[in-house]
Formats: sequence, C-alpha cells, structure tokens
Amino acid sequence: NAGVTQTPKFQVLKTGQSMTLQCAQDMNHEYMSWYRQDPGMGLRLIHYSVGAGITDQGEVPNGYNVSRSTTEDFPLRLLSAAPSQTSVYFCASSRAIVGYEQYFGPGTRLTVT
Amino acid sequence: TQLLEQSPQFLSIQEGENLTVYCNSSSVFSSLQWYRQEPGEGPVLLVTVVTGGEVKKLKRLTFQFGDARKDSSLHITAAQPGDTGLYLCAGAEAAGNKLTFGGGTRVLVKP
Repeated sequence: NAGVTQTPKFQVLKTGQSMTLQCAQDMNHEYMSWYRQDPGMGLRLIHYSVGAGITDQGEVPNGYNVSRSTTEDFPLRLLSAAPSQTSVYFCASSRAIVGYEQYFGPGTRLTVT
Repeated sequence: TQLLEQSPQFLSIQEGENLTVYCNSSSVFSSLQWYRQEPGEGPVLLVTVVTGGEVKKLKRLTFQFGDARKDSSLHITAAQPGDTGLYLCAGAEAAGNKLTFGGGTRVLVKP
C-alpha cells in the first residue's frame, strides 16, 4: 500500500496562475480532506468529501475548488493563486471522522510570488 | 467552528525531564486525537480518546480526556530527543464530518 500520495512536493506559482494539487489514496477510505498548515496555526480544513460525488466546505474554502469523481482521488484546484495561499498543503483520508485515524500525505509546499 | 487552544506553543526541555501539553476548548467533542508531526512530513496519529475521563498510555506518553470532553492533556515522562516534534490535538464534532485542529505545541528535547 502506498497510503496517501500527493504531487507535486514543491511548487512555485506567480500571482494569478492556476494549478491543481493531486491527492490519491489506495486504502478505499470514504472520507478525504484538504488542510493548509501555516506557522503557529496548526491545520485548517479547506474542503472535505465523505464519498465519491460529495464535497463540502471547511473553515477556509475561498480560492479553492475540489471534486471527488472516484473514491481514490481528491484534487485541490487553486483558481487564481494569491500570495496569501503560500502554505503547506496536506491531504488526508480516513474511514470516517469520529474516532478514526486520519492518514496524511507528505504535503505540498506551495509558494506564490 | 469549534476552537481548540493548545498550550504552551513551544516547550524546550532537557532529556529526562517531564512535560505536559494542554488542549482546551469551550465546546464538547465526541472524540479527540493527538498527532505528532516531524519536519517535512504529515502528522501521524498517536492516540484517540472517546470517553470522558479516559486515560490512555503509550509507553512514556499519557493522554487524558477531560470528564466533560472539552479538554485533553498529553504528559511525557522522562522525555528523550526522539520525542522532539510538533504535537497537535484534533477534535471531532459531535455532529458533522469535520475535524478541528489546535495550533500545535512544538517540543524540543535537548540531549
């Protein structure tokens, strides 16, 4: 099992550019989520999905889109990158939310100039 | 949005000393988890507590969930340099599908 994989590991964008962060899991988990991590602020939930075809907003969804066409994949799209989106992005998956382990990917470090 | 506050934000101690990290909220959580994160990696689960008053031990780590399920603590006995890392608590809402993370406590154990 590869667990949760994320690509790319590093990315530099110019303001206004768009891009997609990829996330895939091979554990047949229903629940997947995207977080951003900024210094001193822990992890903040961007978007999450409880199954294929179902997505919902988290705490900081503005400027990001997601879709969940398959159980395995949950890409995060930045529509028009802004310097405020400079952060480390983590994808996670789990069987459910309450009481179940979140498996995290290795993260994508994004810099927007 | 339910908020989780962790304290302290940073802790530097000598090898062999004990330490306690706190995670507090005004809201009730159905379960609470503790994760440890190493630099350049994603968080890894240490423990999940679900019952008010529950105490779990993982070698030198002791986790406690408050009676009212609003707070939790992590105590490390005789800390070792390998315990260095960012410790995150995360609470699951009683209803819904969101996990709320605290701001993290960075622990440095010096040899």
